[in-house]
Amino acid sequence: EPEVTQTPSHQVTQMGQEVILRCVPISNHLYFYWYRQILGQKVEFLVSFYNNEISEKSEIFDDQFSVERPDGSNFTLKIRSTKLEDSAMYFCASSPGTTSSEQYFGPGTRLTVT
Amino acid sequence: KQEVTQIPAALSVPEGENLVLNCSFTDSAIYNLQWFRQDPGKGLTSLLLIQSSQREQTSGRLNASLDKSSGRSTLYIAASQPGDSATYLCAVRGRNQGGKLIFGQGTELSVKP
Repeated sequence: EPEVTQTPSHQVTQMGQEVILRCVPISNHLYFYWYRQILGQKVEFLVSFYNNEISEKSEIFDDQFSVERPDGSNFTLKIRSTKLEDSAMYFCASSPGTTSSEQYFGPGTRLTVT
Repeated sequence: KQEVTQIPAALSVPEGENLVLNCSFTDSAIYNLQWFRQDPGKGLTSLLLIQSSQREQTSGRLNASLDKSSGRSTLYIAASQPGDSATYLCAVRGRNQGGKLIFGQGTELSVKP
């Protein structure tokens, strides 16, 4: 069964460093998402991506964040200068269509900023 | 602004018991609602998707219902097993919130052998 994959599973970085989180969505899906979950808190939406551009972003997704689909399979989230409060589990999701479609989530990348 | 609430926050039951998890949402203008399972430190596994036009969906021992007008969904788990122990999340996709999912805080379920 096709699944969303994410690498790395765990990333430790120092404050101020850049990190890139990678995702491979399900191959025939058209819509891609990043969410995050700070320990003990709700899962929060960050950004959605369709047709090679951002379709929606949350207030969390400021200038320090960017997304890219560099080729036909990968979908990346970059944090330019990490802060302690960026420590969280980051989930990538994809869906084949929009409003009625199920979103499929990857296993997550745990980001720890020290 | 859509708000999603899950009650209770935690639930402990003996093995074999039937149980109900509750989810409520403030804006009834939704496309659909998804129930997820999350094991500690792990990703989100989709359990059931209910479209706004549907009243319920079933998968094995799981049954999810949706009452859009009252802003409520329930997840019924029959004959619970220790392997069902996990956190259960509901998430809505609102018509006024684009394509994103809005999550509740989850119900942590523990099924005791």
